Amino acid sequence: DAKTTQPTSMDCAEGRAANLPCNHSTISGNEYVYWYRQIHSQGPQYIIHGLKNNETNEMASLIITEDRKSSTLILPHATLRDTAVYYCIGALNNAGNMLTFGGGTRLMVKP
Amino acid sequence: KAGVTQTPRYLIKTRGQQVTLSCSPISGHRSVSWYQQTPGQGLQFLFEYFSETQRNKGNFPGRFSGRQFSNSRSEMNVSTLELGDSALYLCASSQGQWSYNEQFFGPGTRLTVL
Repeated sequence: DAKTTQPTSMDCAEGRAANLPCNHSTISGNEYVYWYRQIHSQGPQYIIHGLKNNETNEMASLIITEDRKSSTLILPHATLRDTAVYYCIGALNNAGNMLTFGGGTRLMVKP
Repeated sequence: KAGVTQTPRYLIKTRGQQVTLSCSPISGHRSVSWYQQTPGQGLQFLFEYFSETQRNKGNFPGRFSGRQFSNSRSEMNVSTLELGDSALYLCASSQGQWSYNEQFFGPGTRLTVL
């Protein structure tokens, strides 16, 4: 799996967009970029994933650079309930369901 | 649809004992993965089962083992417990065979080894 680098922590004002960056410069051509988050005392929760194209779902948007060396997870209107640790993961699509979690970014949404 | 369930939620054991944790995946999901989460090491992959076969295994000693039953339910076993095995053990299920299927995590079993 590709090694990913994320900032240790970030703050965001409630109602504003939260932009969480992830560097994955060693990602290979067939590795997907996944984002999960873990709210305190709960299991991780899937957010979104993508390969090359930008993706959007009801939770967030994923912007992947053209060279695929980095990506940004966007929470368009952050709420206090979005306070969590966000993990960016690079994973092969044919390696089974084995995710390698890094340290993640601790996002604090403040009122 | 019910989520991933794990039992028990909390467990206290002493060094040298063995423990079995159980995971029931979401109905229809055939893949079950196990992870260990500790403050020092973070979330680490233990192993994954698909259709009763272990497909991937993380870098853990042989004291950690698991299995999957025909109904996709899974158990993991840790023998000869050590203090360092104290952790949150998370189970995740996925519908399909490949990793681009999102994984749904259970609430975890918090194991304390005294």
